[in-house]
Amino acid sequence: GAVVSQHPSWVICKSGTSVKIECRSLDFQATTMFWYRQFPKQSLMLMATSNEGSKATYEQGVEKDKFLINHASLTLSTLTVTSAHPEDSSFYICSAREHEQYFGPGTRLTVT
Amino acid sequence: GENVEQHPSTLSVQEGDSAVIKCTYSDSASNYFPWYKQELGKRPQLIIDIRSNVGEKKDQRIAVTLNKTAKHFSLHITETQPEDSAVYFCAGTDSWGKLQFGAGTQVVVTP
Repeated sequence: GAVVSQHPSWVICKSGTSVKIECRSLDFQATTMFWYRQFPKQSLMLMATSNEGSKATYEQGVEKDKFLINHASLTLSTLTVTSAHPEDSSFYICSAREHEQYFGPGTRLTVT
Repeated sequence: GENVEQHPSTLSVQEGDSAVIKCTYSDSASNYFPWYKQELGKRPQLIIDIRSNVGEKKDQRIAVTLNKTAKHFSLHITETQPEDSAVYFCAGTDSWGKLQFGAGTQVVVTP
């Protein structure tokens, strides 16, 4: 099946700093990628849809100025958490769509 | 948009018994229903899926049924094994093709 990678797999940052997470489709091109957030013992919540060459579309309640998404190529989407706070600590998972959605391994973000 | 509800939230079964997880969806236009298995700290893995033109699909010990009229679908795991212990998520697609996940079911298979 198709492979999606994420980098980094985990990151610890201080409150107020920004963190960038990369999502790559390794063996296929993805015009659409998705970003999810998952808090402990909860489900995956869609944050935004990343479209190559155009602006991302955000789900209701997700601040677009805080979670910056860039989909500059058909194999790479990035999520930048700006001015991170402890409540942003979560498991961030991306997916890329070919015929179905293929998930990345996730990034564990801890904001201290 | 699509709303997916999933029950139960936890399910304990003896090894060898069957496990059933049920989901309902709200958007009658939804046409794709995947099931994912997620182990702690890892990515969701697709275990089986079904499209709206099919009523049932089976893959070894796993089966999924879909009732479009009632807008519900179920996951059946037979002859459960300890390695089946995980969190299982159902999902449905909304009219934009986005996945909406159920709340998840923690399955514990005891030897």
